[in-house]
Amino acid sequence: GENVEQHPSTLSVQEGDSAVIKCTYSDSASNYFPWYKQELGKRPQLIIDIRSNVGEKKDQRIAVTLNKTAKHFSLHITETQPEDSAVYFCAATYSGGGADGLTFGKGTHLIIQP
Amino acid sequence: KAGVTQTPRYLIKTRGQQVTLSCSPISGHRSVSWYQQTPGQGLQFLFEYFSETQRNKGNFPGRFSGRQFSNSRSEMNVSTLELGDSALYLCASSLVDRVGDNEQFFGPGTRLTVL
Repeated sequence: GENVEQHPSTLSVQEGDSAVIKCTYSDSASNYFPWYKQELGKRPQLIIDIRSNVGEKKDQRIAVTLNKTAKHFSLHITETQPEDSAVYFCAATYSGGGADGLTFGKGTHLIIQP
Repeated sequence: KAGVTQTPRYLIKTRGQQVTLSCSPISGHRSVSWYQQTPGQGLQFLFEYFSETQRNKGNFPGRFSGRQFSNSRSEMNVSTLELGDSALYLCASSLVDRVGDNEQFFGPGTRLTVL
């Protein structure tokens, strides 16, 4: 089955700096890669996703890049703000037209220092 | 539209008991997936239901089961509870109207504590 590794487990950055979280996956058939943000005591919420037919996707301060050859994808957050503090999860799955089970990384606790 | 709802939000059980958790997806969503979240193992996929059929299953023992009703509401059941089953159980619904509609919307979760 799929295996997703996520690094780092904790990331502390100064407010206004950029943050990068990296994930690798094992199953070359995986074609859908979402990123979720989970604040303390709340549900995971999708912040951005990418499919295997594109290499990069951007939404305001958030971007995701995908390297299919190396089987890794990364989340980039620019101009970090205090509200960006949360746990971020990457995930991967093969989607053949249905909501197949997501395999998640272990999460990155992002801390934004004022 | 109302979001994904889960009941109950909190549950305390003792070892050996069984428990049933409920999930109501977003209106129009036909797929419901269940996940277990623990500090040690993170988020792990349990199973996914679509049109009342289990389509995908994660690596959990047979004590974990589920079902989906014709209105897409889903339940999951855990029998013979163990201490290690203490976790946050999350369900997620997805539209699955066409290829590419993969986005899964999570409910608030049910916090299960096994004593």
